[in-house]
Amino acid sequence: SQQGEEDPQALSIQEGENATMNCSYKTSINNLQWYRQNSGRGLVHLILIRSNEREKHSGRLRVTLDTSKKSSSLLITASRAADTASYFCANEVSGYALNFGKGTSLLVTP
Amino acid sequence: GAVVSQHPSWVICKSGTSVKIECRSLDFQATTMFWYRQFPKQSLMLMATSNEGSKATYEQGVEKDKFLINHASLTLSTLTVTSAHPEDSSFYICSAPRSGVEEKLFFGSGTQLSVL
Repeated sequence: SQQGEEDPQALSIQEGENATMNCSYKTSINNLQWYRQNSGRGLVHLILIRSNEREKHSGRLRVTLDTSKKSSSLLITASRAADTASYFCANEVSGYALNFGKGTSLLVTP
Repeated sequence: GAVVSQHPSWVICKSGTSVKIECRSLDFQATTMFWYRQFPKQSLMLMATSNEGSKATYEQGVEKDKFLINHASLTLSTLTVTSAHPEDSSFYICSAPRSGVEEKLFFGSGTQLSVL
């Protein structure tokens, strides 16, 4: 069953603006992962944040994790048209299998 | 470069035929692989866990006789959609865990199945 819930479901911004996506989950986690999916393609791992971490950066990406609220956010700074994609949060269930959220569809217009 | 290869990328078939999708780990061994299904504009749903040398583990609601999984070797898992029907049309993605790296799970590029 799906655990993560992202919001917003869809986000449209202009190039240069920041994009923030949120994810909530229900059960305890070891880590939370964010993935990107271009239309009709496979998934690309963006970043993993462990349960004992509160914030993590990777290039223009910033992820936060609040285990008390069971929520995480993904911030993409200075967005580009090439960032247009769907973004999913996911948490591990047993044995590496991931449970994905519903995703946020991001559109960045030039 | 890709570490998990999935083929074919897309397939169109007639209703009633069977379709095989392959998932290969390219430079590592994977005793376990995962098969996901994704409908348009929806999330990925775990279908089954493929185990090398033993039977696959299916998620609730997934018909094991409909979706045959064979983990033939430490680098290859196949998903066969048997007697495909239009409602089986979907995007199928495999993934394999790789120990020793943080992200752990690598995904194939997916297979778009269209059943006419």
